Amino acid sequence: AQSVSQHNHHVILSEAASLELGCNYSYGGTVNLFWYVQYPGQHLQLLLKYFSGDPLVKGIKGFEAEFIKSKFSFNLRKPSVQWSDTAEYFCAVNARGTGGFKTIFGAGTRLFVKA
Amino acid sequence: DTAVSQTPKYLVTQMGNDKSIKCEQNLGHDTMYWYKQDSKKFLKIMFSYNNKELIINETVPNRFSPKSPDKAHLNLHINSLELGDSAVYFCASSLRQSGDTQYFGPGTRLTVL
Repeated sequence: AQSVSQHNHHVILSEAASLELGCNYSYGGTVNLFWYVQYPGQHLQLLLKYFSGDPLVKGIKGFEAEFIKSKFSFNLRKPSVQWSDTAEYFCAVNARGTGGFKTIFGAGTRLFVKA
Repeated sequence: DTAVSQTPKYLVTQMGNDKSIKCEQNLGHDTMYWYKQDSKKFLKIMFSYNNKELIINETVPNRFSPKSPDKAHLNLHINSLELGDSAVYFCASSLRQSGDTQYFGPGTRLTVL
């Protein structure tokens, strides 16, 4: 069965620190990969996505993620976080399963950035 | 211009009651979803509809019944509410089923007393 693992459940950083959030998935076929963000009190919105091509994907607000196929990973990075990056971050994998394509979300990583 | 809207935003009700949550998208998407987000923020797919047809039905109790009267609407009816149903329910839509970005509604916070 497909699964998505996010290794860090809670991350606390000071402003200007660098961020890396881990995401690993288990699925042997072709996947589409996403990072979504949920700011406090808001709905989920897309940060970035990977379908094909350059494995280094750039998203909004200075975020990027790198798809490493051999490691089944899609880690999210940002060189210098801001207080406004405080949010919950979800990795998601879309792949074909029984019954069609399905998107599985990781358990989320709660990021708190200290001002 | 809300892309995906849900009503109500908050729903507080007693155990045993029946309630509905409505979802509408004005993006012209073919696929719509219902997700449940529990208190630990874990987001789990419940149902997925493509062009008004049910395509994904995860292990969800029969008390939950989705209905899609047209492509732009996907409502969720819940019978005999239980304490464990308390959660935030998100509706989402995507252009197609396969791999497109999902656009989420604002969520409905359901509290069962």
